[in-house]
Amino acid sequence: DTAVSQTPKYLVTQMGNDKSIKCEQNLGHDTMYWYKQDSKKFLKIMFSYNNKELIINETVPNRFSPKSPDKAHLNLHINSLELGDSAVYFCASSPYRQVQETQYFGPGTRLLVL
Amino acid sequence: RKEVEQDPGPFNVPEGATVAFNCTYSNSASQSFFWYRQDCRKEPKLLMSVYSSGNEDGRFTAQLNRASQYISLLIRDSKLSDSATYLCVVSELTGGGNKLTFGTGTQLKVEL
Repeated sequence: DTAVSQTPKYLVTQMGNDKSIKCEQNLGHDTMYWYKQDSKKFLKIMFSYNNKELIINETVPNRFSPKSPDKAHLNLHINSLELGDSAVYFCASSPYRQVQETQYFGPGTRLLVL
Repeated sequence: RKEVEQDPGPFNVPEGATVAFNCTYSNSASQSFFWYRQDCRKEPKLLMSVYSSGNEDGRFTAQLNRASQYISLLIRDSKLSDSATYLCVVSELTGGGNKLTFGTGTQLKVEL
């Protein structure tokens, strides 16, 4: 069973387009995250949601809008895609406010903006 | 200055070698510490948590020095399958939840 899944796995699109990435976890966790890993492999948190409520927003352009329809799903919509948005986007989940708990990552979505 | 700093490597070592990775972090409010492993074109996966008293998991030993804000990972008897990028991670429980901050990673290549 896949614990954290993301779709699509690969996404190639033109500048200016709008695209969405979906994430689902079946671990029963309360908290979900979006991370961006750039070309230099640096992994940085973008957003965190707890039980459908936004709790972390790390200075991300407002072209990026996360949406959590329920605590098992966290989607990421990106408007007006730019070249610099090309990266790997990872979804993750963890139990809420358990600092000793690690986070479990999805397989990543490789986004290439042309 | 990055919040979590690591030597990027690559570390090229022969099979059977012992290799050590170091990491420093700047946020003294950090509460939990981890080493993650990331294989090429894969997601990060937890390798082990790091405790103040030091902890061992098979060939892997992790150490934490809170006073120096320094974390280490020692791999003994390296295997080809240990080749990966090792990410030092610190965690802080903020009002917004459990926030992980990743280092840039240290690349390890174990060779025959």
